[in-house]
Amino acid sequence: GESVGLHLPTLSVQEGDNSIINCAYSNSASDYFIWYKQESGKGPQFIIDIRSNMDKRQGQRVTVLLNKTVKHLSLQIAATQPGDSAVYFCAENRAAGNKLTFGGGTRVLVKP
Amino acid sequence: NAGVMQNPRHLVRRRGQEARLRCSPMKGHSHVYWYRQLPEEGLKFMVYLQKENIIDESGMPKERFSAEFPKEGPSILRIQQVVRGDSAAYFCASSPEGGPSSYEQYFGPGTRLTVT
Repeated sequence: GESVGLHLPTLSVQEGDNSIINCAYSNSASDYFIWYKQESGKGPQFIIDIRSNMDKRQGQRVTVLLNKTVKHLSLQIAATQPGDSAVYFCAENRAAGNKLTFGGGTRVLVKP
Repeated sequence: NAGVMQNPRHLVRRRGQEARLRCSPMKGHSHVYWYRQLPEEGLKFMVYLQKENIIDESGMPKERFSAEFPKEGPSILRIQQVVRGDSAAYFCASSPEGGPSSYEQYFGPGTRLTVT
């Protein structure tokens, strides 16, 4: 769901460890999911996406897992680096051209 | 290939003035989306446009807000008679026409509007 006027949940992780960020979505009709990274003062940056006919997709150091049964999405970042410090948002889309619905976001802080 | 461009990056307006935010999509992209972001919150959809057409404006406030994407030139988000509650970051995204990659939306750097 959305956080209105609340501080973002924060995940503190040691440099080199793996990070797992979770997201719950509400619309069972959503068929496309994206993870975005947003650094302070910048626009969201596309990280990885997954379609509803898949349950796992891997990129460079990142893996997205989709569990449609419980409507849950997760982003795993391997060997977290200081440059990974940012706010991470999941977003869902029902069809090409439709609006993206964003989750509330998670702040990741990487400790050296 | 230049990304999505937005200007100005920062805009200060007094209450009652007009704000005009511009967005140039990525080369080859014909779909433009506008989103608004309040501090510590996710982005919220406002409007989706194609050239000369508004496809979905379900997220636009009923009054004072309008958007256009003319045949030539950038997309414009216009806010008339701004109020303090309009202070936010406004992001534009674009996507290509058709095909699997049309699901992907790429964002610009945003315009930070401050209403004093």
